[in-house]
Amino acid sequence: EDKVVQSPLSLVVHEGDTVTLNCSYEVTNFRSLLWYKQEKKAPTFLFMLTSSGIEKKSGRLSSILDKKELFSILNITATQTGDSAVYLCALPTSGTYKYIFGTGTRLKVLA
Amino acid sequence: NAGVTQTPKFQVLKTGQSMTLQCAQDMNHEYMSWYRQDPGMGLRLIHYSVGAGITDQGEVPNGYNVSRSTTEDFPLRLLSAAPSQTSVYFCASSSLSGETQYFGPGTRLLVL
Repeated sequence: EDKVVQSPLSLVVHEGDTVTLNCSYEVTNFRSLLWYKQEKKAPTFLFMLTSSGIEKKSGRLSSILDKKELFSILNITATQTGDSAVYLCALPTSGTYKYIFGTGTRLKVLA
Repeated sequence: NAGVTQTPKFQVLKTGQSMTLQCAQDMNHEYMSWYRQDPGMGLRLIHYSVGAGITDQGEVPNGYNVSRSTTEDFPLRLLSAAPSQTSVYFCASSSLSGETQYFGPGTRLLVL
């Protein structure tokens, strides 16, 4: 059965800290891995990763996919209170168009 | 573009009542889907559609029906509401060739 597991489940840090969020998966066929940020409402897209070992960056956020070890990490440097959110990873499976989401990591950044 | 819209934003139902959650998108996306989000459970796929007239079940389809008569609309019907269906429901859409799903603002449903 396809599965996506995120760790840690929750995390509390102080502003300026660097955090690493993990997404491990057991999905046999997938097209890409997606990261979303969810504040109080709907998830918003952060990154799409398709190739192993190629880092994607957007400001203080970066992400990389390891297809050999079956995981992805999302790094946030110099965290700010506005980074407080639930971070979700998802894999759209090939052929079925079903997206499998992890349970998310809840990040709280204290001022 | 309005993107993905959902109505209502909040609904209270009594056990056994039926209702329809509305979802519409104006991006001409072929793919549309419904998720429910419960605390500690992440997003779970209920039903999805890859085009008008085509629907399929997701991970948790029991108690829900869908139809897709147009590209724009993808309503979710609760046939006989149960307290276990208390949740936040999100509709999402994307193109078949693209990967990113665009989410609606969600509907919070409380079944008493």
